[in-house]
Amino acid sequence: EPEVTQTPSHQVTQMGQEVILRCVPISNHLYFYWYRQILGQKVEFLVSFYNNEISEKSEIFDDQFSVERPDGSNFTLKIRSTKLEDSAMYFCASRESRDFGSGNTIYFGEGSWLTVV
Amino acid sequence: GESVGLHLPTLSVQEGDNSIINCAYSNSASDYFIWYKQESGKGPQFIIDIRSNMDKRQGQRVTVLLNKTVKHLSLQIAATQPGDSAVYFCAEKKITGGGNKLTFGTGTQLKVEL
Repeated sequence: EPEVTQTPSHQVTQMGQEVILRCVPISNHLYFYWYRQILGQKVEFLVSFYNNEISEKSEIFDDQFSVERPDGSNFTLKIRSTKLEDSAMYFCASRESRDFGSGNTIYFGEGSWLTVV
Repeated sequence: GESVGLHLPTLSVQEGDNSIINCAYSNSASDYFIWYKQESGKGPQFIIDIRSNMDKRQGQRVTVLLNKTVKHLSLQIAATQPGDSAVYFCAEKKITGGGNKLTFGTGTQLKVEL
């Protein structure tokens, strides 16, 4: 079964350092997402991406965050200067283009656990 | 504002019993309501969804009920198994033609006792 894959599974970084989290969405999907989950809390939307541009972003997704689709398969989240409060599990997700029907299901990867020290 | 929340943080059931996980929502404009299962250390796994113009949808061992009058969503799991132990999140989605982001609730921990 096709799946969203993410790397790394764990990363520890020092405060102020740049971090890049990588994702390979499901191959025929056209919408891509990043969500995050602080330990013990609910999953929060960060950003959605379609046709090489951001389609929607949350208040969390400030100027320290950026996303990129550098080639036909990868989708990355960059945190320019990490803060302690960025420590969380970051989930990449993707879906097909259709808005209604089974094609609108959003599938998640296993997550990248980021610890900022 | 929109919000999706859960009534109970933990639900314990005996193996073989049926489980019912509940969720309250406040955004009447949502087009879809979705249930995800999250096992420890893993990503949310899609279980089932229901469109806002429906009141019941069945899957394999799972049924989702939507009561728009009281803005209530439930997930019923038949013959609960140890593998069903996880955190269950309800989420809602408005189809905008753009990102169609998910808004998640806080989750219910389901514990299956042998």
